[in-house]
Amino acid sequence: EAQVTQNPRYLITVTGKKLTVTCSQNMNHEYMSWYRQDPGLGLRQIYYSMNVEVTDKGDVPEGYKVSRKEKRNFPLILESPSPNQTSLYFCASRLTTVNTEAFFGQGTRLTVV
Amino acid sequence: QQQVKQSPQSLIVQKGGISIINCAYENTAFDYFPWYQQFPGKGPALLIAIRPDVSEKKEGRFTISFNKSAKQFSLHIMDSQPGDSATYFCAASEGSTLGRLYFGRGTQLTVWP
Repeated sequence: EAQVTQNPRYLITVTGKKLTVTCSQNMNHEYMSWYRQDPGLGLRQIYYSMNVEVTDKGDVPEGYKVSRKEKRNFPLILESPSPNQTSLYFCASRLTTVNTEAFFGQGTRLTVV
Repeated sequence: QQQVKQSPQSLIVQKGGISIINCAYENTAFDYFPWYQQFPGKGPALLIAIRPDVSEKKEGRFTISFNKSAKQFSLHIMDSQPGDSATYFCAASEGSTLGRLYFGRGTQLTVWP
């Protein structure tokens, strides 16, 4: 089954404790991205990757890191989480950058206390 | 600057009624306009998409109307059902190498039985 898999689904952590949210897709998609969803603000892009070893900042990259060492994986790293990073996070992938459907993971609800 | 503006933020419709959600954009380079549907606890999923060479696209009870000169597009849900209750996001992208999808802030639709 074609899918984007994120882990964990839920995470509660403390301020400053490094964490990684994993994302994997099995569709051989080139383009992957991370979004955060906050009430009233919709989906805001954090980082995106057009292919292996190619990443760039989205609209809200501060406090986040990503890497794309393999085509299928695109982890999101929070080196020193803060309470304002409490949010619902989605990973998405697209076959190419040109007008193709984005497939989203199930989401990761992160709470930073 | 918000690339895609969506309204209303919330919408309540009676079963059998028509739900209408509107979006507007400024960037004339956008050439792909998808709508995503999100149920609670799930990631967004593509509902229907349109390109600017057509003014309307219909899939079952869902129709996108596109007005290129006004830089507006809208989603119409005919014969709305309680199962349509979800959050709807419009989006836009251009077929460039960046391939970014810009999302509206979302509309929470509630269909009363």
